[in-house]
Amino acid sequence: DAGVIQSPRHEVTEMGQEVTLRCKPISGHDYLFWYRQTMMRGLELLIYFNNNVPIDDSGMPEDRFSAKMPNASFSTLKIQPSEPRDSAVYFCASSLTGLGAGGKLFFGSGTQLSVL
Amino acid sequence: GDSVTQMEGPVTLSEEAFLTINCTYTATGYPSLFWYVQYPGEGLQLLLKATKADDKGSNKGFEATYRKETTSFHLEKGSVQVSDSAVYFCALIGKNTDKLIFGTGTRLQVFP
Repeated sequence: DAGVIQSPRHEVTEMGQEVTLRCKPISGHDYLFWYRQTMMRGLELLIYFNNNVPIDDSGMPEDRFSAKMPNASFSTLKIQPSEPRDSAVYFCASSLTGLGAGGKLFFGSGTQLSVL
Repeated sequence: GDSVTQMEGPVTLSEEAFLTINCTYTATGYPSLFWYVQYPGEGLQLLLKATKADDKGSNKGFEATYRKETTSFHLEKGSVQVSDSAVYFCALIGKNTDKLIFGTGTRLQVFP
């Protein structure tokens, strides 16, 4: 299996621009998670989906952030407009079953976002 | 709410030294506890886990014991290698939730 695939690996953009991060979960996994990693705040859960439905988006920082999962094999995290404080590594992860039920989380390699 | 506190790094050791990375947690009920490892340029990988009190998780020479009385889950390894250099994250998940909560991570640097 190819694992969780994220694109792009690196993104450099200017403040005010729209940024779209992409994720392909492991085939057959019902859960998909978006995390953000910064030096100051560590790893934060932004949002997660179960069977393409958003379950908890309480970690999404503000209305500039949005996430979608149009089908079981694709999800996007969009920032519009982007700001320098959004600079971070964004990870996508997936699991076969719920984590509370013993599911194992598999991470992608992340997208390094730099907003100038 | 639930939270995880880890010792700050970096932890710098010579090869074959003994490793301890402290982790304590705050949670209602009895969470499951995890250690994840992140190698440079990669995503996190599950290292070990324990799901109930007094359980010991182990993998690749690393161990951690779920201590309910001290709400701790310290990571240990008897003899570290240069290849163990990475960032280590303690994490928990509470009952009836799918939200994995991470500590801030501890960077380990092992020198030959």
